[in-house]
Amino acid sequence: ETGVTQSPTHLIKTRGQQVTLRCSSQSGHNTVSWYQQALGQGPQFIFQYYREEENGRGNFPPRFSGLQFPNYSSELNVNALELDDSALYLCASKTSGGAITETQYFGPGTRLLVL
Amino acid sequence: DQQVKQNSPSLSVQEGRISILNCDYTNSMFDYFLWYKKYPAEGPTFLISISSIKDKNEDGRFTVFLNKSAKHLSLHIVPSQPGDSAVYFCAASVDSNYQLIWGAGTKLIIKP
Repeated sequence: ETGVTQSPTHLIKTRGQQVTLRCSSQSGHNTVSWYQQALGQGPQFIFQYYREEENGRGNFPPRFSGLQFPNYSSELNVNALELDDSALYLCASKTSGGAITETQYFGPGTRLLVL
Repeated sequence: DQQVKQNSPSLSVQEGRISILNCDYTNSMFDYFLWYKKYPAEGPTFLISISSIKDKNEDGRFTVFLNKSAKHLSLHIVPSQPGDSAVYFCAASVDSNYQLIWGAGTKLIIKP
């Protein structure tokens, strides 16, 4: 039991729509990262938030954006959805803003299907 | 451009025997490597890591070996147990870089 939860578990959207995915981190975890895992591939780093500010970003366009709140929850927003956005979206939290190599705890993910 | 490759999509091993999962990387700047395990409908969980200054790290039944000259690492599980059946991911990072680069995963099946 990692204490990291994500909602919803599954979601279906159509191309061009916008989506918001939610993550609730463990208490005290001030750093959250979001990953996209396409079918048959490993997770790809989208971005990281530390104390409510983005402090690292992978190779994803600006239509992927995020928010982190003081109550250890966070959001991933994706605008203008494309078919290739269909994937499992994982959030992970940890206790410091340092290197991602420190132990981080993953939620179970949100499965997004874009039609 | 896959910087971290796990060339075996799946591996089947008899219970009690050794499981060896392999991972190759291309970026010589990587200096920290991690293995994660993932069960269906759950997020990945950290298993074991190794720094590039070492060539071996052991934790119970799990041992990770790093061969920097070959840009290759492997995870050994001895003895393999049914609960080890899962997808295993290797991941790598560059020092002080916030980003983990992940392989595609290997599905390990432990046969009773």
